[in-house]
Amino acid sequence: EAGVAQSPRYKIIEKRQSVAFWCNPISGHATLYWYQQILGQGPKLLIQFQNNGVVDDSQLPKDRFSAERLKGVDSTLKIQPAKLEDSAVYLCASSLDGGEAFFGQGTRLTVV
Amino acid sequence: AQTVTQSQPEMSVQEAETVTLSCTYDTSESDYYLFWYKQPPSRQMILVIRQEAYKQQNATENRFSVNFQKAAKSFSLKISDSQLGDAAMYFCACPYSGGGADGLTFGKGTHLIIQP
Repeated sequence: EAGVAQSPRYKIIEKRQSVAFWCNPISGHATLYWYQQILGQGPKLLIQFQNNGVVDDSQLPKDRFSAERLKGVDSTLKIQPAKLEDSAVYLCASSLDGGEAFFGQGTRLTVV
Repeated sequence: AQTVTQSQPEMSVQEAETVTLSCTYDTSESDYYLFWYKQPPSRQMILVIRQEAYKQQNATENRFSVNFQKAAKSFSLKISDSQLGDAAMYFCACPYSGGGADGLTFGKGTHLIIQP
């Protein structure tokens, strides 16, 4: 069974630029999560999708972050404009109806 | 608000010995799971073990076991016969309770070092 795929693995951008991350969950997994993991901390939930609907995005900084999950499969997380404090690893995870979550390898973002 | 506290930023143990990682949590959920995840340098979070809160019996997965004290909201991980491959960051997680989401709230992690 293929795992959660994320791209790119690494990204370096200048502050105020925009960036997008892509996630392809495990086939058949209805639930998809995006987490932000700042260096030295545990992952923090940004947004949860159930199919293509948003379940919770209360911790997503909506002035600069956006996410979508068209057709209930792949998802994209976007940051525009980026700030220095957005430097982190962005992890995508998926689960079958809220069961065990399987994580991708993440995208390491560096904002300079 | 959900909080998870891991009071040990780093732990070191000799290969083949036993180590215990501590975790306390706070959640408003009444029926929930608790998790320990391992994160090696590859960054991928790997589930080590999970505990159902309504079960009094502590979960065990091969060399990994938990000591779950529900009243004290304590959930420690014991690793027996430590192996070099166990070296990683370990994160404790409890339910994230917000807007119907069933994601997780993680602690800051414990860096586990295995001495050969």
